[in-house]
Amino acid sequence: DAGVIQSPRHEVTEMGQEVTLRCKPISGHNSLFWYRQTMMRGLELLIYFNNNVPIDDSGMPEDRFSAKMPNASFSTLKIQPSEPRDSAVYFCASKNQIRNEKLFFGSGTQLSVL
Amino acid sequence: LAKTTQPISMDSYEGQEVNITCSHNNIATNDYITWYQQFPSQGPRFIIQGYKTKVTNEVASLFIPADRKSSTLSLPRVSLSDTAVYYCLVDNTGGFKTIFGAGTRLFVKA
Repeated sequence: DAGVIQSPRHEVTEMGQEVTLRCKPISGHNSLFWYRQTMMRGLELLIYFNNNVPIDDSGMPEDRFSAKMPNASFSTLKIQPSEPRDSAVYFCASKNQIRNEKLFFGSGTQLSVL
Repeated sequence: LAKTTQPISMDSYEGQEVNITCSHNNIATNDYITWYQQFPSQGPRFIIQGYKTKVTNEVASLFIPADRKSSTLSLPRVSLSDTAVYYCLVDNTGGFKTIFGAGTRLFVKA
């Protein structure tokens, strides 16, 4: 398996633009997580899905953030409009919740909002 | 969710054994203890998981006392490449939320 695949690897955009981050979880995993990491706040859980259904989005910072999981093999995290304080590394992770397996992380998307 | 407390940073030298202790006083009966390692510019990766007593794999050992209110990750004979952030997590087998604390930044010196 190729592991959790995230794209793009790097994203540079200007304030006010829409940003879409993409994630392909490991095949067979039924839980997907989006995290954001900054030096100041560490690794924050934004939202997680189980069987494609959002379970808890209390970590999503504002209404500018939205996440979807239209099927078991794809998820997106969208920021609209983006702001400089959104600059961070965004990680997607997946696991098999039924067997309580470990989390597998993608390589992350380094987002810079100018 | 059980809160965890671990040292912010630790320094070591190559070849030494490193022990990182994590406190989790409010651990619940169904909770497991899991440790992750994160290198710069990478996502965290699983190291080891345990419920009680001792667990050992090819990377580390995990010691959990009988009361389970703390755990110790032991890295034998560290090398420069073990410089990373180590996270201790406590979550239950049926739970969904996986919350990371601040972690322990280990710096291994030559």
